[in-house]
Amino acid sequence: EVQLVESGGGLVQPGGSLRLSCAASEFTFSNYWMSWVRQAPGKGLEWVANIKQDGSEKGYEDSVKGRFTISRDNAKKSLYLQMNSLGAEDTAVYYCARWRGQQSEFDCWGQGTLVTVSS
Amino acid sequence: DMQMTQSPSSLSASVGDRVTITCRASQSISIYLNWYQQKPGKAPKLLIYAASSLQSGVPSRFSGSGSGTDFTLTISSLQPEDFATYYCQESYSSTITFGQGTRLEIK
Repeated sequence: EVQLVESGGGLVQPGGSLRLSCAASEFTFSNYWMSWVRQAPGKGLEWVANIKQDGSEKGYEDSVKGRFTISRDNAKKSLYLQMNSLGAEDTAVYYCARWRGQQSEFDCWGQGTLVTVSS
Repeated sequence: DMQMTQSPSSLSASVGDRVTITCRASQSISIYLNWYQQKPGKAPKLLIYAASSLQSGVPSRFSGSGSGTDFTLTISSLQPEDFATYYCQESYSSTITFGQGTRLEIK
C-alpha cells in the first residue's frame, strides 16, 4: 500500500525555521511530482508547493515564496519543506501529497504534521 | 488569481438522500477539477478527478459532472460514512486552488 509519512512538525517561535520531511514507500517515488498542502486549524486546504520528479521544476503559493523551499531526495524516497521566517499565519497541519502531474490531482496523502508558530 | 467557490458552505441531509454540491471557477478550467472528502482529523481522500472520473475504490454513489466554470459532485444515496467535508480543487492553473469546502452534516 502506498504510504507517505510526514515528520518534523512542532512548536516554533515567530521568525524561526523548521524543516519538514516526508518518507514515501510502496511506489516508485522518482516517477511522481510531489506536493505540500497545508490546513490551518478549522480552515480549508491550501496548496503550498510542488516539485517535479527530478527536482528541475518547483512551484510555490505566493505567500510562501522566498520563505519556503521544497526539495526531494529520490535515492532516499523523501520529500522536504524548509520553512524560514515563520509567522502565525503558517500555523497548520502540513500534508505531503503525491501529485499525478500538471493539470491533475493529488491521489495519495500523508497523515499530516502539525506546525505551530507561537511565542 | 483563480478562485473556486463552493456552495453551499454547509448542508444537512439524511441517510438515503441525494445530495449535490456545486463548485464554480472564476475562469474556465476545462475539465481540470477534482473532488476530495475529508473526515475530522484525517487526510483528504481523492473521490473524483478530471471532473467526472471516479477514483479507484470509491463507491459508485459518488459522481461528478461539469466543464468550463461550473461543476457538481453528487452523492446518489447518502450513507452514514459520507458525512464529512468536501473540497473541490482546480488543476488548470500553475498555482493550485481549492474551494473553501462544504460541510455535510447529519440531519
